[in-house]
Amino acid sequence: DTEVTQTPKHLVMGMTNKKSLKCEQHMGHRAMYWYKQKAKKPPELMFVYSYEKLSINESVPSRFSPECPNSSLLNLHLHALQPEDSALYLCASSHMWTSKTQYFGPGTRLLVL
Amino acid sequence: KNEVEQSPQNLTAQEGEFITINCSYSVGISALHWLQQHPGGGIVSLFMLSSGKKKHGRLIATINIQEKHSSLHITASHPRDSAVYICAVRFFDGGGATNKLIFGTGTLLAVQP
Repeated sequence: DTEVTQTPKHLVMGMTNKKSLKCEQHMGHRAMYWYKQKAKKPPELMFVYSYEKLSINESVPSRFSPECPNSSLLNLHLHALQPEDSALYLCASSHMWTSKTQYFGPGTRLLVL
Repeated sequence: KNEVEQSPQNLTAQEGEFITINCSYSVGISALHWLQQHPGGGIVSLFMLSSGKKKHGRLIATINIQEKHSSLHITASHPRDSAVYICAVRFFDGGGATNKLIFGTGTLLAVQP
């Protein structure tokens, strides 16, 4: 199994809603990442987890709250988002934080109304 | 200013044509990735290079470390090759290589039948 899965594929939410994005991998990878990608722009790193601990937070607003409950699962909890947060949210994983290759999921396309 | 520059930004080709996409970066790197992203879709890793040349099917990637330049070539292009091709690099960061990927702006390729 060399796949990173993400659910849901699409999400529409209001600014007062609370929702969560889910990412899962069963490759035994110990590093997992959240990226945000706006239309026609390259992905931007948001968070890195290494061995279930938050290693990097790229100054992301607190309305985005990551969680890594176990080595296979990475969540991104969303609360009080703004319309400008609408984007494609990509999850990735790698064997370790120092590994050269990251495996990307298909992304969740988020629309905030 | 993005430290990773790609050219061209947009490319339209006829089926069967040989295609070249270029990537230049500004400082020393530990690895360079070529990624493919289909519209609305996730990212697929095509190549990871730290030197020389790699070939996979109709795709060839080369890197010149001294010139800080990499190229992605597609031979006998096909409409299914239509996608955004992204160059991403891992820079050396102080004490060693980092797994933070810095992405180029992408090249939108359209191959017409």
